[in-house]
Amino acid sequence: GQNIDQPTEMTATEGAIVQINCTYQTSGFNGLFWYQQHAGEAPTFLSYNVLDGLEEKGRFSSFLSRSKGYSYLLLKELQMKDSASYLCAVMDSNYQLIWGAGTKLIIKP
Amino acid sequence: DAMVIQNPRYQVTQFGKPVTLSCSQTLNHNVMYWYQQKSSQAPKLLFHYYDKDFNNEADTPDNFQSRRPNTSFCFLDIRSPGLGDAAMYLCATSRDRETDTQYFGPGTRLTVL
Repeated sequence: GQNIDQPTEMTATEGAIVQINCTYQTSGFNGLFWYQQHAGEAPTFLSYNVLDGLEEKGRFSSFLSRSKGYSYLLLKELQMKDSASYLCAVMDSNYQLIWGAGTKLIIKP
Repeated sequence: DAMVIQNPRYQVTQFGKPVTLSCSQTLNHNVMYWYQQKSSQAPKLLFHYYDKDFNNEADTPDNFQSRRPNTSFCFLDIRSPGLGDAAMYLCATSRDRETDTQYFGPGTRLTVL
């Protein structure tokens, strides 16, 4: 079966750095997406990785290791508005997105 | 400017009373998706359209139907909503199927009484 694993919940402090991990086992691989979802709202696109390495986009960075089936999302200089769920999704060989259940990130002052 | 629009944002229906949710897009994307998402769960793909080609997920109940009359609009029909169908329904679009980013609408939260 296909599976995406990410922690259910994480807590961090405003101004700090947090790393959200995602591991996956899928039938093929055509890229990995990270989405942010605030409570009661739709997911919004954060990043896409298809090659190994780190992609940096402002305060957010995403890393991929295809050989390990592993990715992480790194959030720097945390702000209260970063409190949200972060969803990892992998596109499999049939170009279907396999979604993780999301990591709820709680930011404390 | 809104690119993927869903109406209504909140929908209340009665058990067994048909309901239709709508989605429109201004991106001229080829692919439109409908997802169901329950609290603290991953979005679950119900079906998608690649242009006019309809693709139903194997485990999508027959109670759920969809229509795409043109490129811009897509509808989700729930023929006889049950209490278990209460969820957020998300519409998404992508330019193409292969590796393209999906852009989501704001969602419709469905309550079944």
